[in-house]
Amino acid sequence: QVVLTQSPSASASLGASVKLTCTLSSGHSRYAIAWLQQQPEKGPRYLMKLHSDGSHNKGDGIPDRFSGSSSGAERYLTISSLQSDDEADYYCQTWGAGIQVFGGGTKLTVL
Amino acid sequence: EVQVVESGGGLAQPGRSLRLSCTGSGFTFGDYAMSWVRQAPGKGLEWVGFIRSEGFGGTKEYAASVKGRFAISRDDSTSTAYLQLNNLKIEDTGVYFCTRNSAEWELLADYWGQGTRVTVSS
Repeated sequence: QVVLTQSPSASASLGASVKLTCTLSSGHSRYAIAWLQQQPEKGPRYLMKLHSDGSHNKGDGIPDRFSGSSSGAERYLTISSLQSDDEADYYCQTWGAGIQVFGGGTKLTVL
Repeated sequence: EVQVVESGGGLAQPGRSLRLSCTGSGFTFGDYAMSWVRQAPGKGLEWVGFIRSEGFGGTKEYAASVKGRFAISRDDSTSTAYLQLNNLKIEDTGVYFCTRNSAEWELLADYWGQGTRVTVSS
C-alpha cells in the first residue's frame, strides 16, 4: 500500500516563497497526488492534482501563487508571495486499489 | 457553485449509532463518487470510505478501521449521501467531512464540506 510522507512543519516569511514536499513510498514513484489546504477550523480545500511529470491541474479559483512540481518520488507544492492566510495545514493525497491515502500534513507558519 | 454540506453529527455513547448526511448542490450528484473522510481532534485526515456512482455500480469501499461498523449509501433523487456509524467507539470522535470526487479520478476529492462533529463519550 502506498504511503505519503510529509514534514510536520515549515515556516517562511510574509512575501517570501516556500516549497513543501510530499514523498511517495518505494515502488509508487509514478503516482499522481492531490494537494489540499486546510485553514484553521475549516474543511480542506482542493488545490491541485499533480502528476509524476510535474504537470498539474488546479482547482477552481486557486491563485497562480500556488504551483506544483515533481522529481522522482517527490511531489512539491510551491507557494510564492506568501500571505497571512496561507498559514494552514497542507496535505497530500493519493489513491489506488480502491482506497484513498493521506499524508500526515505539514503545518505552515507565515512569519 | 459546487457545494457539499454535512449534517447529523452530535454526541453519542459508545456502542450507539449515528447517521450523517451529505447534501450536494451545483452539480449532477448522481454522476459522482462521494467519499467520507474524518479528522480526530488535533490529528490529520483519515479516509473512511467512498461510494461510486450508480453508473459504476454504486459499489462501496471502506477503510479497515471502520469496515463492518460503518456503511455508506446514497439517494441520488435527493442528492444526498449517508454515513451510518454503528457500534461507535471513543476513537470515532472527530469531524467527518464529505467530499465530491473528481469525474476523472473516482478517489480524488475535489470539493469538501465544512464537516460535522461527532463526539463519542459516556
